[in-house]
Order: sequence, then C-alpha cells, then structure tokens
Amino acid sequence: GAVVSQHPSRVICKSGTSVKIECRSLDFQATTMFWYRQFPKQSLMLMATSNEGSKATYEQGVEKDKFLINHASLTLSTLTVTSAHPEDSSFYICSAQLETTQYFGPGTRLLVL
Amino acid sequence: QQQVKQSPQSLIVQKGGISIINCAYENTAFDYFPWYQQFPGKGPALLIAIRPDVSEKKEGRFTISFNKSAKQFSLHIMDSQPGDSATYFCAASWSGTYKYIFGTGTRLKVLA
Repeated sequence: GAVVSQHPSRVICKSGTSVKIECRSLDFQATTMFWYRQFPKQSLMLMATSNEGSKATYEQGVEKDKFLINHASLTLSTLTVTSAHPEDSSFYICSAQLETTQYFGPGTRLLVL
Repeated sequence: QQQVKQSPQSLIVQKGGISIINCAYENTAFDYFPWYQQFPGKGPALLIAIRPDVSEKKEGRFTISFNKSAKQFSLHIMDSQPGDSATYFCAASWSGTYKYIFGTGTRLKVLA
C-alpha cells in the first residue's frame, strides 16, 4: 500500500514553454502533498506544501508564479513549471502524506533546452 | 534549530558488515524520525521510522537507535549487502506541520 505515482517520468522541453507534472496517490487519499526539488548528489529541497482545496504554501525563495501548484482532489496534485528555463532543469519529486508519513513518488526528470 | 545533521557523507562497508549512519537534531519539538533509502534516479522509499517514546526499533536488518537526551538517532544496517548500496536520508518532523527536515544524505557502498 501507500503508492504514489508521478507522470511523466522524464520530460524534455524548449526554453520558454510550460511543463505540467502530475502526482497521484494510488491507494489512499492525501489531504496534503509536498513538492521537492533535488539537485545531483544533494538532499531534497522542499518547494511547497499542497493542500487539497486550498492554496499551496511555498517555501522561502520559491517563486509561486513560476511553480504553479494545484491540488484539485484528494488523490491528485499538479506542479506546472511556467516559462521554463535551463536553470529549472532538475529532478522533481512529490510526496503524499498518510498520517505522519510521507510517501514519495518516483520523481520526474526535467530537462529544459 | 531546524537543521538535521547527518554523518558520514559517504560510507564504504564490506558485504556482511554493519553500516551505521548518524543524525542529530536541535529542535525538541520534533516527534517523528523516518529514514529513507534512495536509488539513483528514483524517489526515496521509507525504510523505518521511530518516535521519541521508543529507544530502539527493528525491522528485518534495519534498526533505528534513538537517544532522546542526546538528540541523536542512528540507522544500523546489519549484514549489509551490495543491494543496499544507495543514498540514505534521515528526516525529522513535528505534528504541527508534518513537514520534513531532511539530513544531507549518506552515500553507502557495500563491496561484494
């Protein structure tokens, strides 16, 4: 149990375009989901907390207009990287909260050319 | 006060040996301490977790030892196997927000 999926697993896009990443909790409902960014050989950096039915809470330094988060249902949160640039290239990982534990998705590798 | 300090940064262990990774925290409000295993290109997977009212928890070859007074906790991997080679992250959270504060990670390599 407690499976979280992400789609797509890899995406390559041109600079200036927008990319949407989906995070789904497959076998449980998650009021709260989290979005992280991870650079090579580094720890996970929390970007934002996504709560179903309300606005996301962004961590300091994360541009909310660039990283749009929508938590439309108890099983789906989306992260849209708007007007992506090469510096946005990274590994994006979501997690879904079940009781006190976060269960992570497999991650999405974004490459912006 | 929000940091979780993790050591060592990297670790090489012989097959069959014991791998030990340590974490330390400052914030006494933390009340949940999970450990995650991450393989390259994959998301972190929950290994084992502990709460402050327990000093030790064991699941298979993985054991967490928790020292509340010292504000430290550690992961022990018994009979380490090459398949355990991965990056391990400790984390801490508190009931108020359930946000995790992650350690910096330990890259474990188990030699065959």
